[in-house]
This record gives sequence, structure tokens and C-alpha cells, in this order.
Amino acid sequence: NAGVTQTPKFQVLKTGQSMTLQCAQDMNHEYMSWYRQDPGMGLRLIHYSVGAGITDQGEVPNGYNVSRSTTEDFPLRLLSAAPSQTSVYFCASSSRTPGTDTQYFGPGTRLTVL
Amino acid sequence: AQSVTQLDSHVSVSEGTPVLLRCNYSSSYSPSLFWYVQHPNKGLQLLLKYTSAATLVKGINGFEAEFKKSETSFHLTKPSAHMSDAAEYFCVVSGTNDYKLSFGAGTTVTVRA
Repeated sequence: NAGVTQTPKFQVLKTGQSMTLQCAQDMNHEYMSWYRQDPGMGLRLIHYSVGAGITDQGEVPNGYNVSRSTTEDFPLRLLSAAPSQTSVYFCASSSRTPGTDTQYFGPGTRLTVL
Repeated sequence: AQSVTQLDSHVSVSEGTPVLLRCNYSSSYSPSLFWYVQHPNKGLQLLLKYTSAATLVKGINGFEAEFKKSETSFHLTKPSAHMSDAAEYFCVVSGTNDYKLSFGAGTTVTVRA
């Protein structure tokens, strides 16, 4: 199993550009989440999904969209990039609710917005 | 609502000496608690978790943590640090059936030869 994969590993955007961060898992997990990691703040939840077709907002959802058309994929879209979105983004998945089960994290995407 | 406070932003130890990473939590109901480790430029990996079973939890790589409800703490320890333990460690809290995890700010561990 590849586990959780994320692409790209690095990305530089200009303010106002849009892009999609890709996330895929091959473990047939129902639950998938997107987090951002900023220095001194731990990880903060952006959006999450409890299954195909079902998504919900996390702690910091503004400026991001998600969709879940298949169990395997959970892309994160930046609609109009801003410098405040410079961060490291992690995708995670688990077979049960994150409160009871291990979350498996991808290697991250390091995004810089100029 | 729940939250986590990691009491040390940075811990430096000598190889072969004990490691203690301190974590206090607040939760309005019985929490699940986790410790995750992140090595440089890597994703997070689960070290151990507490989900209302035994209060002393053993994890991977010789780490363990004790859940103390009276002190609302979940400190992480290892008897003898190894150079490979140099990483950032996150204490995490959640409700048992919650979709959302709350992360602490992290503790960076440096191991001196």
C-alpha cells in the first residue's frame, strides 16, 4: 500500500492564483481530513469528509474548497491564493472517526504564496 | 470544546538520558488523547493513543504516556533518548467519537551526543 499520497510536494503561487492540492489514499478509509501547519500553532483542521459525497468545515475553512467524489481522493482547492495561506498542508485518513482511530498522514505540500 | 497545552516548546537532552514531554488538556467529556511525532520534512506518525482503557499507554520506539484525569495531564516519557528521537512531538485531544482533533503547538526535541 502506498498509504496517503499528496501532490505536489512544493508549490509557489502568486497572490490571486488558484490551484488544487491532491490527496489520495489506498486503504479504503472513510474519513479524510485536510490540515495546515504553521510555526508554533500545531495543525489546524481546514475541512474533513466522513465519506464520498459528504464534507464539512473545520476550524479554518475560509479560502478553501473541498469535494469527495470517490473514497480514495480528497482534493483541496485554493480559490484565490493569499500570502496568509503560505503554510504546509497535510492530508490524513482513518478508517473510523479520528477521535478513536489512528490517522495516517501524507508527507505534506509546502505552499508559498507571494 | 477541548484544547491542549504543551508546556515546553523545546526540550534538549543528552543521548541515553530520560525524555519528558509535558501535555495538559481540557475537555468537557471523556477524551481520547494521542501523541504524534514528526521527523524533519515528514508527515506525522502516531506514537501512542489513550481511548479510556489502561491509563499507562505504551507506544512505539520505547515511548509511553500516563493519563492522569485528576491532573488533566498526558505526559510522554522515554527512559533513554536516542539520536533518532530528535523530532517534533504533538499532543492531540479529541472526543471519542469526534471528527475533529485539537493539536498542541508542538515540542521540538533535540538530542545531544
